[in-house]
Amino acid sequence: GENVEQHPSTLSVQEGDSAVIKCTYSDSASNYFPWYKQELGKRPQLIIDIRSNVGEKKDQRIAVTLNKTAKHFSLHITETQPEDSAVYFCAASYTGRRALTFGSGTRLQVQP
Amino acid sequence: DSGVTQTPKHLITATGQRVTLRCSPRSGDLSVYWYQQSLDQGLQFLIQYYNGEERAKGNILERFSAQQFPDLHSELNLSSLELGDSALYFCASSVGVSKDNEQFFGPGTRLTVL
Repeated sequence: GENVEQHPSTLSVQEGDSAVIKCTYSDSASNYFPWYKQELGKRPQLIIDIRSNVGEKKDQRIAVTLNKTAKHFSLHITETQPEDSAVYFCAASYTGRRALTFGSGTRLQVQP
Repeated sequence: DSGVTQTPKHLITATGQRVTLRCSPRSGDLSVYWYQQSLDQGLQFLIQYYNGEERAKGNILERFSAQQFPDLHSELNLSSLELGDSALYFCASSVGVSKDNEQFFGPGTRLTVL
């Protein structure tokens, strides 16, 4: 089955700096890669996703890149703010199996 | 608010007991997924239903079962509970299985087994 690895497990940045979280996946059939943000005790919230027919997608301060050949995808957050502090999860799925396989999560702390 | 609702928010019970968690998907969504989030295992897929039928199974124990009813709400039944079953249980829904993949999560049910 699919296996998703996520790095780093914790990330601390200064407010205004950029943050990058990286994930690799094992199943070349995977074609959908969402990112979720989870605040303590709350539900995971979809913040951005990318499908395998594009290499990059941007939404304001958030961008995701996908390298299908290397089977890795990354989340980039620019101009970080304290409210960006949360746990971020990457995930993967494919057309024949919609259930998400999640990475282990990255705890991002933005220092004011 | 994602539009997915889950009840109850919290559940405290004893080992050996049985509980039922309930989920109502977003209006129009036919697929329901159940995930378990524990400190040591992260977010793990348990089971998926689509329009009343089981569609996929993940790491779901035999002591756990689920169903989706004609009104599309779903229930996750956990029996012979063990301490290790303590976790956050999330339900997510999506439109279907052929096109849209976006899954929207409910607020979760926190289960504590004492």
